[in-house]
Amino acid sequence: AQSVSQHNHHVILSEAASLELGCNYSYGGTVNLFWYVQYPGQHLQLLLKYFSGDPLVKGIKGFEAEFIKSKFSFNLRKPSVQWSDTAEYFCAVNADSSNTGKLIFGQGTTLQVKP
Amino acid sequence: KAGVTQTPRYLIKTRGQQVTLSCSPISGHRSVSWYQQTPGQGLQFLFEYFSETQRNKGNFPGRFSGRQFSNSRSEMNVSTLELGDSALYLCASGGVTVGGYTFGSGTRLTVV
Repeated sequence: AQSVSQHNHHVILSEAASLELGCNYSYGGTVNLFWYVQYPGQHLQLLLKYFSGDPLVKGIKGFEAEFIKSKFSFNLRKPSVQWSDTAEYFCAVNADSSNTGKLIFGQGTTLQVKP
Repeated sequence: KAGVTQTPRYLIKTRGQQVTLSCSPISGHRSVSWYQQTPGQGLQFLFEYFSETQRNKGNFPGRFSGRQFSNSRSEMNVSTLELGDSALYLCASGGVTVGGYTFGSGTRLTVV
């Protein structure tokens, strides 16, 4: 069965520290990849997405992610986090060959940024 | 443009009852997907509708059902509610051809 694994469940960083959240998926075919963020009390918001082309994608709020096909990974990065980045982050994969709207989510990573 | 709208925001139901949740997608979006979010299981796919047809279904019992109308609005129904159905139910609209999936704020269902 297709699955998505986020290795870091809870990350605590100080402001200005660099961030990297891991995401691996299990599916051998073509994938569409997403990172979503859920701020406390708010709904899921799309941070960035990869469909094809340049494997390094840039999203909102200074986030970027790199798709490494050989490693089945799509790690999220930010050079310098802010207190306002405190949130839960979800990696999601759309691995259906017919591109139906089925997203498989990782378990999420809670990021806590200390001021 | 308006986002994905889910109603109601909160619901409290008793075990054994049934519930209907509503989702209005972004104008022009024909795909609507439903997800259940719980602390223990995370975000799990329920089903997806496209042009009034169920196109994909997750691993949930038959008590969970849905439908989509000609204006793309979708409803999700849960019959014979169980305590374990307490969750945040999220709806998303969009697709790869429109740049991704946008989520609504969800309906928080509490079963007592």
